[in-house]
Amino acid sequence: QLRLLESGPGLVKPSETLSLRCTVSGGSISSSTYYWGWIRQPPGQGLEWIGSIHYSGSTYYSPSLKSRVTISVDTSKNQFSLKVSSVTAADTGVYYCARLIMTGYNRLDVWGKGTTVTVSS
Amino acid sequence: EIVLTQSPGTLSLSPGERATLSCRASQSVSSSYLAWYQQKPGQAPRLLIYGASNRATGIPDRFSGSGSGTDFTLTISRLEPEDFAVYFCQQYGDSPAWTFGQGTKVEIK
Repeated sequence: QLRLLESGPGLVKPSETLSLRCTVSGGSISSSTYYWGWIRQPPGQGLEWIGSIHYSGSTYYSPSLKSRVTISVDTSKNQFSLKVSSVTAADTGVYYCARLIMTGYNRLDVWGKGTTVTVSS
Repeated sequence: EIVLTQSPGTLSLSPGERATLSCRASQSVSSSYLAWYQQKPGQAPRLLIYGASNRATGIPDRFSGSGSGTDFTLTISRLEPEDFAVYFCQQYGDSPAWTFGQGTKVEIK
């Protein structure tokens, strides 16, 4: 059974860089069928897609976050990572990693449990 | 950018009743790229429906999806206690590639 697990600091200071990792178990990240993505959810609000990556390294980002976001993949560790620079309180929320199926019926079919990030001094 | 608007914001119903949730897109969306998710408090979203009408693995048949173009519907035929949650629609399309509706909360009346 595929599982995704987010990890990283729960508290980040304003203007610093938020760094999270998603570890994939029960399956390989190196499958041409899938992309791997990050989605966040501010407290009490809806879902916002941040960006996605293919194991080949191909990435695409939400235009609203593109200037501050970097997503990378480490196939040897079956992990992918998120960096968000120059964070503010608006970046506070629950961050999820997910598997994206991109073969016609595009969808996010497996999600991690999420990790809470608070931006505060 | 395609905006998804869900209605109503909150739906108050009793177990056993039928729930009808709406998702309207600001412009036409491919049915292949329209999905629905369920989220319970403190949990990650769970995929319910993809391709507008296909149930994901393990999803009970009381959940069904329909629609095309700009209007999509999620129907729960008979609400079970575990169905009270927040539901999001989502579309994949031109940049930004993935967008979500703001959610509909189904609460116990």
